[in-house]
Amino acid sequence: DAGVTQSPTHLIKTRGQQVTLRCSPISGHKSVSWYQQVLGQGPQFIFQYYEKEERGRGNFPDRFSARQFPNYSSELNVNALLLGDSALYLCASSSVPGLARPDTQYFGPGTRLTVL
Amino acid sequence: AQTVTQSQPEMSVQEAETVTLSCTYDTSENNYYLFWYKQPPSRQMILVIRQEAYKQQNATENRFSVNFQKAAKSFSLKISDSQLGDTAMYFCAFMTFGGTSYGKLTFGQGTILTVHP
Repeated sequence: DAGVTQSPTHLIKTRGQQVTLRCSPISGHKSVSWYQQVLGQGPQFIFQYYEKEERGRGNFPDRFSARQFPNYSSELNVNALLLGDSALYLCASSSVPGLARPDTQYFGPGTRLTVL
Repeated sequence: AQTVTQSQPEMSVQEAETVTLSCTYDTSENNYYLFWYKQPPSRQMILVIRQEAYKQQNATENRFSVNFQKAAKSFSLKISDSQLGDTAMYFCAFMTFGGTSYGKLTFGQGTILTVHP
């Protein structure tokens, strides 16, 4: 089975522009989470979506938004890009995060965003 | 708030030897998971091992095992028979079941492990 896929692999934008990153979860997984990883640091949680609804949001500004589609794929949008948004953006999928307990997250290869 | 601390920025080990990576965490939650992920230079984050907090038995996956000390909030990873392919950044991560942090992974700063031939 294919793992989590993300596109594009690399992206270069200039300050003030907008960007959309895409993620397809592992087949059968209904939850998608997004993380931002600045070089040399651990990933920081941005969003979690399950069944097209936002389940959690990290400490990121409103310039960051996301959505999940009926096929469980997801997009992360970032508006008004800043130099500090340069990072590796990771998508992770998990199976139904049951009412009692969440499940292990499996990561995609990431999208490297550079803001000039 | 949950925090994860990895106090070893870098470690090195000779091929075939054993190395232990340290991790401590802080939480008021009682139900949670702990993970070790590895991130090679190719940058793909790969799950190494998972530990459920309610299980007293330490998790083991082939050459990888953990020492989970719940009272001390300590979660170390032991890699036996180290291989060159183990060279990577290793992240300790925490996931809670409860409240607004449900299903959110909180990561440590990472430990760069280099395996020398």
